[in-house]
Order: sequence, then structure tokens, then C-alpha cells
Amino acid sequence: EIVLTQSPGTLSLSPGERATLSCRASQSVSSTSLAWYQQKPGQAPRLLIYGTSNRATGIPDRFSGSGSGTDFTLTISRLEPEDFAVYYCQQFDSSPRCTFGQGTKLELK
Amino acid sequence: EVQLLESGGGLVQPGGSLRLSCAASGFTFSSHTMTWVRQAPGKGLEWVSSFGGSGGGTYYADSVKGRFTISRDNSKNTLYLQMNSLRAEDTAMYYCARDYDWNYGYWGQGTLVTVSS
Repeated sequence: EIVLTQSPGTLSLSPGERATLSCRASQSVSSTSLAWYQQKPGQAPRLLIYGTSNRATGIPDRFSGSGSGTDFTLTISRLEPEDFAVYYCQQFDSSPRCTFGQGTKLELK
Repeated sequence: EVQLLESGGGLVQPGGSLRLSCAASGFTFSSHTMTWVRQAPGKGLEWVSSFGGSGGGTYYADSVKGRFTISRDNSKNTLYLQMNSLRAEDTAMYYCARDYDWNYGYWGQGTLVTVSS
């Protein structure tokens, strides 16, 4: 089973700043199977990025994804107040089974 | 509009059983792999089980294999999760999600399962 490790665990930033979230896999992951989700308190997760770098429908272009192999990144270019949430990466090494990272909490500084 | 609506959660004693349902609408249910994902209080997301679309198979996390059974009724556009021999560590919010091209673009609002005496 591929293990996804997200860092940092908590990221404290202010609106307008740039956020860089990391997701590292224990072994190489197909770029088509790496996704990112945002989750706010009391809500279901929301798909942000699929296939490493493709924004889901309705996701603002301040969100971008990149990476390959074992290292993947979610970047939020300029934080808006509504972006403070928990972010998870996900991969499918043997679809439909998948694993999630443990999450990065993006909090208001 | 795609909608997923879970139901069936509640409080159950250790060793008890519960059946969750996920009613789907707005898409061709039978064609899609459907999945259950859970989230323990204050914790991260855990894949639980999937049922392949178009006659596909069933898949389980090791943590629930032999205790949980996933099923679907394509005539009712509904996904189920029969949970037996429940343990305290099964306490979580259970979400159903539609699987498409290695991502979950649609999620339900979740149903809470609490296993406690």
C-alpha cells in the first residue's frame, strides 16, 4: 500500500499570502491518479484538483497542482478568507482502492 | 444535478449492526463505481469500500473485510453498506462518493455512526 505523507501538518498564513502544500508518496504514483480535496468544518470534502494538475469544475485559478513520481504540490497563489480549511491528497495505486494523506490544516495567522 | 444522500447512521452498541444507504440522482448510477469513505472524529479520510459500476466487483479495506458488505440496487439508484460486528473504532462520519477517473467529484453530506455502550 502506498502511503501519502503531507507536510506541513499545520500552515499558518494570512490572506493574500501564497500557500504551498506538499504530498509525498512512499513509492511512485501515476500522475493521473493524484487528487487534492478541501474540507471545511462540518462539510464533506470537495474535489479541487485531479490528475495532479487539473482544476475541478468551478475551482478558482488561484489553486494549482503540480508534481510527479513521489512528490506533489498544491499551491494557492493568493489566499482568500474562504481558503482556510484542511486539505487532503489522494492516490489510487490499485483502483478502486485509494489512500489519503493525513491532511494539512491551513489556518489563519 | 448530481446528488448523493446518505441515511441510516445512529448509535449502536459494540457488536451490533447497522445498514447505511446512499440514494443517488442526477446521473447514470449503474455506470459508476460507488464508494464509502469514513472519517473518525477529528481524524482524516479513510477509504472503506467500493462497488464497481457496470457489473464490477466489490472491494474492502482490510479494517472492515469480513464485517462490512457493500451492495447496490441499480433499479433504486441506491448504494448500501451493511455493517456487522461493529467496534468502537468504526465510529465515524460515513460518506458515499462517486468514483470517476481516479477522483471523487461528488460526495454526500455524510451519516454519523457511533459505536458505544
